[in-house]
Amino acid sequence: KNEVEQSPQNLTAQEGEFITINCSYSVGISALHWLQQHPGGGIVSLFMLSSGKKKHGRLIATINIQEKHSSLHITASHPRDSAVYICAVNPSNTGKLIFGQGTTLQVKP
Amino acid sequence: NAGVMQNPRHLVRRRGQEARLRCSPMKGHSHVYWYRQLPEEGLKFMVYLQKENIIDESGMPKERFSAEFPKEGPSILRIQQVVRGDSAAYFCASSRTGVNTEAFFGQGTRLTVV
Repeated sequence: KNEVEQSPQNLTAQEGEFITINCSYSVGISALHWLQQHPGGGIVSLFMLSSGKKKHGRLIATINIQEKHSSLHITASHPRDSAVYICAVNPSNTGKLIFGQGTTLQVKP
Repeated sequence: NAGVMQNPRHLVRRRGQEARLRCSPMKGHSHVYWYRQLPEEGLKFMVYLQKENIIDESGMPKERFSAEFPKEGPSILRIQQVVRGDSAAYFCASSRTGVNTEAFFGQGTRLTVV
């Protein structure tokens, strides 16, 4: 079993829909990251969080440390949101990242 | 303030050749991480370096792979005698401190072994 699990693996939505991607982890962590990767492209950091909730534009990330679970929400989704979204964690007291398998999101116009 | 710079973006090597991948961290960052993304797989940690030191190489294959981060110049990931299975995207990330800090990624080097 992977230390970081994401669901769903693939997600197709219509433009405007509210989207949720989930991440569960099984190790102690110091921080959790949500990343975005476009096909053939680089990796962009969306959020780093260790507690509570963060919001940036139409993106919201939450984390529940006790339940070892995080969610990434996209409100009013748009075709340009189509990408792979990756959850990653810093195991406690380390800077390296352990990654989930990623969620491939396609938003149709 | 340039981001993390990786070069080359694409690299083609024949089996048995050497591949050298370079990573220049963001200004002010002294921590560098290398990750590998095999086709249809997730990203995997390879090695963590600070200037002139390898801090954690637990993700590096035991043979043919090495990494360095000299006092001057970029970090280098070196793969000797490449095989087809080394074909992957290699990403570098840098951070200001080692723990609890945002990591900034480069665009990656896509290595193809023919």
